[in-house]
Amino acid sequence: NAGVTQTPKFQVLKTGQSMTLQCAQDMNHEYMSWYRQDPGMGLRLIHYSVGAGITDQGEVPNGYNVSRSTTEDFPLRLLSAAPSQTSVYFCASSYSGGGGGTEAFFGQGTRLTVV
Amino acid sequence: GNSVTQMEGPVTLSEEAFLTINCTYTATGYPSLFWYVQYPGEGLQLLLKATKADDKGSNKGFEATYRKETTSFHLEKGSVQVSDSAVYFCALFTDSWGKLQFGAGTQVVVTP
Repeated sequence: NAGVTQTPKFQVLKTGQSMTLQCAQDMNHEYMSWYRQDPGMGLRLIHYSVGAGITDQGEVPNGYNVSRSTTEDFPLRLLSAAPSQTSVYFCASSYSGGGGGTEAFFGQGTRLTVV
Repeated sequence: GNSVTQMEGPVTLSEEAFLTINCTYTATGYPSLFWYVQYPGEGLQLLLKATKADDKGSNKGFEATYRKETTSFHLEKGSVQVSDSAVYFCALFTDSWGKLQFGAGTQVVVTP
C-alpha cells in the first residue's frame, strides 16, 4: 500500500552541489509531476510527465531537470543548488479519468535546505 | 491564464465553530475542483472534489459546491475539531495531463 514514495525526507546541500530527489509510485499512473511549496505561494509546478519518455516544463522549471524512463519513477535533479531552491518538494501521480485527469496522489515531501 | 484565489490565513477558531474558506478560480473550459488538506509535517491528502457544475463534494464533515456562475468552490464545515487544524488548499486541474493549479493555502487553527 505504498502509493507515492519520496526520498530523502530531509536534505541539506551546499550552494553549487547537485542532487537527485527520488519519486516512485506503484499505482501504474500515467501522469507524474513535481511541485515546490513555499510559504504564501501554495504549490507551484516544476515539471510533469504524461508517460514514460515524455516530460514537459511547468511554471518554475529553471534549475531542475527530469526524466522518466519507467512508468514508476520520476526523479528530479537539481543541477547546481542555490539558496532560492530551499523549499519543500512534493511528487504527485494521477491517472486519466473520463474527460481528463482526476485525483492526484502526493508523496510525503522532501524538505531541502540550500546553504 | 488559470488561477486559484483563496482567503488568507491564519484562520483561528474555537472548537465546534463554523468554518468557511473561500475559494474562487479563473479557468478556461470546465475544470475539476479539489480541496486538499496538509496536516503538520505531512504531505497533501485529497479532502473532497467536484468535477462539474453544481456537484457537491463532501468528506469528514466538510462540504464544497462547484458554482460555475460565481466561479467558486468554498469549503465549509459546521463544527470544527482541534484535529481539523491544518493547511487547506483549493486546486483545479488545468488540462488533461494531471497538472494542478493551487491556491496559496489557508492555515486553520482550532483551539479547545
